[in-house]
Amino acid sequence: EVQLVESGGGLVQPGGSLRLSCAASGFTFSNYWMSWVRQAPGKGLEWVANVREDETEKFYVDSVKGRFTSSRDNAKNSLYLQMNSLRAEDTAIYYCAKYNGYALDYWGQGTLVTVSS
Amino acid sequence: QSALTQPRSVSGSPGQSVTISCTGTSSDVGGYNYVSWYQQHPGKAPKLMIYDVTKRPSRVPDRFSGSKSGNTASLTISGLQAEDEADYYCCSFAGSPYVFGTGTKVTVV
Repeated sequence: EVQLVESGGGLVQPGGSLRLSCAASGFTFSNYWMSWVRQAPGKGLEWVANVREDETEKFYVDSVKGRFTSSRDNAKNSLYLQMNSLRAEDTAIYYCAKYNGYALDYWGQGTLVTVSS
Repeated sequence: QSALTQPRSVSGSPGQSVTISCTGTSSDVGGYNYVSWYQQHPGKAPKLMIYDVTKRPSRVPDRFSGSKSGNTASLTISGLQAEDEADYYCCSFAGSPYVFGTGTKVTVV
């Protein structure tokens, strides 16, 4: 059974940093691209980042370029999202998702990031 | 990249069919056959319902179907059931990034 478990969310002040983690199990993690998607409170979904299996390609939505970095450790079956220079508009639930073909076929339960003073 | 346009809400009675539209441009929906649809119940993670415009994961009931014409994709739920009441989001490949739709609340009345 595929499982994705995010952690690392919490309350952070504007301008601060946070590192999210996503622990994967139930599939061969090193064979798949992975993605981060976020959802602001009461709002819709927003794709944030994609990371290739070997990290040779990474893509980000314009609003987080230069501030967020996604990485992975295939030996630990883990995906990470380093978030710097956080803004109030980054407040959201952050989901990690398994990328299969051109769709996200499994999602974690999400972790809430709140940026506020 | 602007969000794809979906109706804010649609409703139907049990057993009826409803269709949700998802309108983009030639740079996303119209340019690729990589539209997917996600169902999200309140407080839950999204769930993949349709991928590559028309394909359905094995765990998804065949009441759910997808199609596309030009820059507009559609999700049809046939034989509406109470458990189908949820938010639905379309998503399209658009080059390197992806773009989601604005979301549609389906209500079973």
